[in-house]
Amino acid sequence: GAVVSQHPSWVICKSGTSVKIECRSLDFQATTMFWYRQFPKQSLMLMATSNEGSKATYEQGVEKDKFLINHASLTLSTLTVTSAHPEDSSFYICSASPSSGGLYEQYFGPGTRLTVT
Amino acid sequence: RKEVEQDPGPFNVPEGATVAFNCTYSNSASQSFFWYRQDCRKEPKLLMSVYSSGNEDGRFTAQLNRASQYISLLIRDSKLSDSATYLCVVRRPYNNNDMRFGAGTRLTVKP
Repeated sequence: GAVVSQHPSWVICKSGTSVKIECRSLDFQATTMFWYRQFPKQSLMLMATSNEGSKATYEQGVEKDKFLINHASLTLSTLTVTSAHPEDSSFYICSASPSSGGLYEQYFGPGTRLTVT
Repeated sequence: RKEVEQDPGPFNVPEGATVAFNCTYSNSASQSFFWYRQDCRKEPKLLMSVYSSGNEDGRFTAQLNRASQYISLLIRDSKLSDSATYLCVVRRPYNNNDMRFGAGTRLTVKP
């Protein structure tokens, strides 16, 4: 149980285009999903916290107009990288939490590798 | 100062060796602590939670020292398959949804 999927697993796009990444919780409902970015040889950096039915909360330094997050249902969150540039090339990972309190895990998706040329 | 700091590594050890990783965290009110394992170009996977009393899972032992704000992971009888990056993760206080990751320590176990 507790499977999270991401689509696509990898994408190559041209500079200036937009890319949408989907994150789905397959066998549980996730009121909260998280979007991380990981550059080579660096750790995961939280970009934003996405709550179903409300606006995402972005971390300091993350442009909300560039990284659009939509969490329209309890099983789906999307991240759209708008007007992508080569410096946006990274490994984007989502995670989902099935409960709202207490000790619980975040379940990670397999990640999406974005390359902007 | 980073919120979660780890040994920089990399650690290169022979099979069967015992290796220990350290991690410190800056927010004394943090409540939950974890070790995750991340293989190259893959997502992180939970290795074990870290409890105040310390806990063991097979060859893996995790310890927590709240006074020193220090977490450790000990791997005994290391296997080739243990080669990965180990991430120290701390859940922020007052927000069970918010976890912060250390930069990771890379381990390579050699034959």
